[in-house]
Amino acid sequence: AQSVTQLDSQVPVFEEAPVELRCNYSSSVSVYLFWYVQYPNQGLQLLLKYLSGSTLVKGINGFEAEFNKSQTSFHLRKPSVHISDTAEYFCAANRDDKIIFGKGTRLHILP
Amino acid sequence: DAGVTQSPTHLIKTRGQQVTLRCSPKSGHDTVSWYQQALGQGPQFIFQYYEEEERQRGNFPDRFSGHQFPNYSSELNVNALLLGDSALYLCASSSRFGRASYEQYFGPGTRLTVT
Repeated sequence: AQSVTQLDSQVPVFEEAPVELRCNYSSSVSVYLFWYVQYPNQGLQLLLKYLSGSTLVKGINGFEAEFNKSQTSFHLRKPSVHISDTAEYFCAANRDDKIIFGKGTRLHILP
Repeated sequence: DAGVTQSPTHLIKTRGQQVTLRCSPKSGHDTVSWYQQALGQGPQFIFQYYEEEERQRGNFPDRFSGHQFPNYSSELNVNALLLGDSALYLCASSSRFGRASYEQYFGPGTRLTVT
């Protein structure tokens, strides 16, 4: 079973609408969880991280994520998206000091 | 404070050739990890270096090798290049100590094209 699963390969959403990008993790990885964003032709930028503490994590650019241990999920949310949020989003987990990535979700903002 | 830097930005090589990619970690970091990101995929772990030794390795052949220098910078070498080695190669740095060891900072990547 895949360690980190992103349930949607693409998510289209209208500008200024809310969005949720889904991520589930398996028990084979630690609960140190991350969301990275990759803009076209660029490297990875850390959006937010969960290491411990509050299950609601706030990141950059208005994004937030909620760690849910019972559902083994770490979904990413933003209340109102902007055209500049067009990018690939990767959910990831730390396993034995390696970062294990999901396959990514492409966020497509519709005008 | 400079983040993770990588060179070159882009590289074009021919099948069978050898390539060396370079990475300088973020200031204060002592560990470097390398990842391969094929087009349309998530990054895959290649290997990790600290104290100038390879500490972990992913599922990559021996054609992929690396080195870490005393200043913590690192090189990734790929021999006998195949068309399938075309990808974005990402370097990430971290610290081995405390909670900082759980988080890795990524560089902008080197885009390798093998023709």
